[in-house]
Amino acid sequence: QLVLTQSPSASASLGASVKLTCTLSTGHSNYAIAWHQQQPQKGPRYLMRLNSDGSHTKGDGIPDRFSGSSSGAERYLTISSLQSEDEADYYCQTWGAGFYVFGTGTTVTVL
Amino acid sequence: QLQLQESGPGLVKPSETLSLTCIVSGHSMNSSNYFWGWIRQPPGKGLEWVGSMSHSGTTYSNPSLKTRVTISVDTSENQLSLKLTSVTAADTAVYYCAATFGVVIGWGQGTLVTVSS
Repeated sequence: QLVLTQSPSASASLGASVKLTCTLSTGHSNYAIAWHQQQPQKGPRYLMRLNSDGSHTKGDGIPDRFSGSSSGAERYLTISSLQSEDEADYYCQTWGAGFYVFGTGTTVTVL
Repeated sequence: QLQLQESGPGLVKPSETLSLTCIVSGHSMNSSNYFWGWIRQPPGKGLEWVGSMSHSGTTYSNPSLKTRVTISVDTSENQLSLKLTSVTAADTAVYYCAATFGVVIGWGQGTLVTVSS
């Protein structure tokens, strides 16, 4: 069963970096995922598609502060130079044959 | 630039049918390998995929909703629609229209639908 696992929360200071993890279930380590950002009271925004080899394609207008990387079944989103507007929920998402799956989301707090 | 805009009633009575429409602009819905669909988010909760459809008519639905969901795509109008029958309070959510190319690459702003008598 294709499942994405995310930690519920993460925090870091203004100007620092934070690294979020999305873990693919056993047997699915070669899957690509997407990262989406949802700021408070707003709809989600597509950040990037992240492949198993770490290559990634960002959405329009996504700052260079957002980057992705991969290692085995883990997919990472690193936010550098944290800004107050980065305080949001971050969801990973992937797809299989005829279905789409979301992780439970990580809430990022900027201290 | 791809844009999606949902519309529809904000209040639906229990047991009735929820109907939403999404207008797609900035991208042809006839593009190969694209699916067009719906994702919802109950208040205070995470994202749940509802269903998706390609321009050629291939349709997928969340198994938990499958018997109640109908999705259609009108490529001539560049719009898609959602019908969800026999709604209950558990269907109260913000409904997002989405474009997918494997991953979701575009989101509408969302529309809140409340199921209540």
